Amino acid sequence: AQSVTQLDSQVPVFEEAPVELRCNYSSSVSVYLFWYVQYPNQGLQLLLKYLSGSTLVKGINGFEAEFNKSQTSFHLRKPSVHISDTAEYFCAVSDGPEFSGGYNKLIFGAGTRLAVHP
Amino acid sequence: EPEVTQTPSHQVTQMGQEVILRCVPISNHLYFYWYRQILGQKVEFLVSFYNNEISEKSEIFDDQFSVERPDGSNFTLKIRSTKLEDSAMYFCASTDGNSGANVLTFGAGSRLTVL
Repeated sequence: AQSVTQLDSQVPVFEEAPVELRCNYSSSVSVYLFWYVQYPNQGLQLLLKYLSGSTLVKGINGFEAEFNKSQTSFHLRKPSVHISDTAEYFCAVSDGPEFSGGYNKLIFGAGTRLAVHP
Repeated sequence: EPEVTQTPSHQVTQMGQEVILRCVPISNHLYFYWYRQILGQKVEFLVSFYNNEISEKSEIFDDQFSVERPDGSNFTLKIRSTKLEDSAMYFCASTDGNSGANVLTFGAGSRLTVL
């Protein structure tokens, strides 16, 4: 079964500094990878996804992530954060198309709370 | 942009009572899901639903839980006899099945508080 590890439960950072939120998943034949963001008292919003192709994927709000198959990682990065990026960030994985056509459940990590300070 | 709509946004109930959480998925979506998030913890899969039947369920989704798509638009989660540990945020999600992957759209959630 798939699992996801988010190595940092909290990441404090100053505004305009770069940030990296780490995510590792358990190995599988193929996977789909996602980052979701949850702002306070709101639902889950898709930031970006890796389905296939280029290992560097760009998402909304200036975020990007790199799929590294050899290290089973999918770290999220932003070169310069803003106060409004303060939120909980969830990495998620699902089995790829070899498994039941790809419509499998998402497995989420425990989340990383990004706190951006002025 | 199409949304997944959930009601109620917050429900408080007494232990042992039945609760129904409602979701209106995006209209052309075919796959539906319920997830829950206990306060401060990770988002956990409960159940997936396709073609009017459960596709997969987790060990959390025991006999106290049921799902239904009664009228072709609503997708409901029923908890028959709530326990204190059912207190959580419940998220509904859906996907159209055309993207070739699980690109889920989530609702804003229903917060359930069991007293």
